[in-house]
Amino acid sequence: DSGVTQTPKHLITATGQRVTLRCSPRSGDLSVYWYQQSLDQGLQFLIQYYNGEERAKGNILERFSAQQFPDLHSELNLSSLELGDSALYFCASSVVGTGSGEQFFGPGTRLTVL
Amino acid sequence: DQQVKQNSPSLSVQEGRISILNCDYTNSMFDYFLWYKKYPAEGPTFLISISSIKDKNEDGRFTVFLNKSAKHLSLHIVPSQPGDSAVYFCAASAYNNAGNMLTFGGGTRLMVKP
Repeated sequence: DSGVTQTPKHLITATGQRVTLRCSPRSGDLSVYWYQQSLDQGLQFLIQYYNGEERAKGNILERFSAQQFPDLHSELNLSSLELGDSALYFCASSVVGTGSGEQFFGPGTRLTVL
Repeated sequence: DQQVKQNSPSLSVQEGRISILNCDYTNSMFDYFLWYKKYPAEGPTFLISISSIKDKNEDGRFTVFLNKSAKHLSLHIVPSQPGDSAVYFCAASAYNNAGNMLTFGGGTRLMVKP
């Protein structure tokens, strides 16, 4: 158990809909990262928040947005969903916001868009 | 452009023998490398890391070697155990002020046969 929690574990929805994925980082970690793993692919970095502020952005679609709240939990919002958005979405957390350091991953949310 | 590549999608070894997983990278700005292990339906679990100022790091049965001139790293597992069967991802990060997102390889599925 990494200490990172994600809800829900599974999500099934239809094209055009909007969903929210939630992540609670490990106690004491200030950075939260979101990654997407599509079928047969590695993990792709989406976005990072550090202590409530956006710190770095990867290949995140404009239809996707995220935020980190004062209690440090984070939400990833996915809107106007398409079939290709079906994937595993992982949240990770770390103490540091820059430089090098291990990230600890949650169990993921499996999103299926029908 | 894949900056981190794991060219072997799968590897099968006998229990008790050595497992060697390989990873190549192209971005010379990467200065920290990590290996993660992933079981089905779980998030990636951090295994071992190495800084670019070192060429070897060891932790129990796991050793990571880094060859900066070749932009190559490898993970050695000795002796391999059936419980090591999982997908292994190498990842890299570059120190910068924007954050420390990880760039992942595509993964190698390791199967350790009893």
